[in-house]
Amino acid sequence: AQKITQTQPGMFVQEKEAVTLDCTYDTSDQSYGLFWYKQPSSGEMIFLIYQGSYDEQNATEGRYSLNFQKARKSANLVISASQLGDSAMYFCAMRPNAGGGADGLTFGKGTHLIIQP
Amino acid sequence: DTEVTQTPKHLVMGMTNKKSLKCEQHMGHRAMYWYKQKAKKPPELMFVYSYEKLSINESVPSRFSPECPNSSLLNLHLHALQPEDSALYLCASSQARPLKPIYFGEGSWLTVV
Repeated sequence: AQKITQTQPGMFVQEKEAVTLDCTYDTSDQSYGLFWYKQPSSGEMIFLIYQGSYDEQNATEGRYSLNFQKARKSANLVISASQLGDSAMYFCAMRPNAGGGADGLTFGKGTHLIIQP
Repeated sequence: DTEVTQTPKHLVMGMTNKKSLKCEQHMGHRAMYWYKQKAKKPPELMFVYSYEKLSINESVPSRFSPECPNSSLLNLHLHALQPEDSALYLCASSQARPLKPIYFGEGSWLTVV
């Protein structure tokens, strides 16, 4: 079984500051994928960034980077130069490397990020 | 803009009604998913279709009936729902290969009265 833990229910951050959202995970799988999603109040779940368990380099996508520490089982999301539009719910999620490739995501409880001007 | 399209965006239905939620993707993905999300909670997996065949049913009540008519379409038929079924229903798709991102639609907000 897989488990994702996000320990920050809510965060307030000043605009233009960098933000780190915490995520730890637990799994007995050797190969797995870690994902971050953003969900604004409109409801859409937006894919942000992906890290494979065997990837040696941390993933980056524009202002988003994933700080992956495999030994600590952590996959923190870093948002550089935060903007007001970054205010949303952020979910960390995991997917196993199982046969067939049609397994769903296991989500953490999420972090509600509010960017203040 | 999302490439997974869900209709309707909002639906209000009575407990005796029959309605359907529809989902369409044109990314060539062969895995499609239905998730249910209650307020202030993470999404919960309901169903997974892989190559148009139902591969995962997470013990969902029979009042929810999924259908995958072809590789681009996914429906969720609703019948005799309860008020506690009111939620955001998210459709998603992905390549049917491990470790690929799952892409979501904008969701259908369902209210059962």
